[in-house]
Amino acid sequence: DAGVTQSPTHLIKTRGQHVTLRCSPISGHKSVSWYQQVLGQGPQFIFQYYEKEERGRGNFPDRFSARQFPNYSSELNVNALLLGDSALYLCASIGGGGTDTQYFGPGTRLTVL
Amino acid sequence: GNSVTQMEGPVTLSEEAFLTINCTYTATGYPSLFWYVQYPGEGLQLLLKATKADDKGSNKGFEATYRKETTSFHLEKGSVQVSDSAVYFCALWTGSGGSNYKLTFGKGTLLTVNP
Repeated sequence: DAGVTQSPTHLIKTRGQHVTLRCSPISGHKSVSWYQQVLGQGPQFIFQYYEKEERGRGNFPDRFSARQFPNYSSELNVNALLLGDSALYLCASIGGGGTDTQYFGPGTRLTVL
Repeated sequence: GNSVTQMEGPVTLSEEAFLTINCTYTATGYPSLFWYVQYPGEGLQLLLKATKADDKGSNKGFEATYRKETTSFHLEKGSVQVSDSAVYFCALWTGSGGSNYKLTFGKGTLLTVNP
């Protein structure tokens, strides 16, 4: 089975622009979470989606938004990019049945100039 | 709120040395505890986990025991290899059911193993 996939791998944007990051979870998994990992730090929780509904939101500004599609893939959108948004964005796939284990994708490296 | 504290890195060891990376936590309820590993330029890989007190998670020679009395989940390996060089993250989760899958991570510990 394929693992979690994310696209693109790398992205360079300038301040004020908008970016869309994509994630496909493991087949059969209905929930995804998004995390931001700034260089030298642990990942910080941004969003969780389950069955296309937002189930959790971290302490991030409204410039960050996400959605989940009927096939359980997900998009993370960031508007009005700031230099501080430069980070590795990780998507995690979560199985059902109350399992607590999250499987991470390789991430998208976003650089804002 | 929930928090995870890991020992400061970097940690530099010689091949075949014994490894300990300390991790302590603060949490409401009864968390599940995890160790994730991140190799250079990659995402996170689940290394091991424990879901209740006194559970021992193990994988690839790494072990960690869930100690409720000391709120700790220290990572150990008896003999490290150069290929173990990576950043190690301790994390906890206190969600349930179909929601609240937020993982709380420590800051990470960089391990470098020299031949």
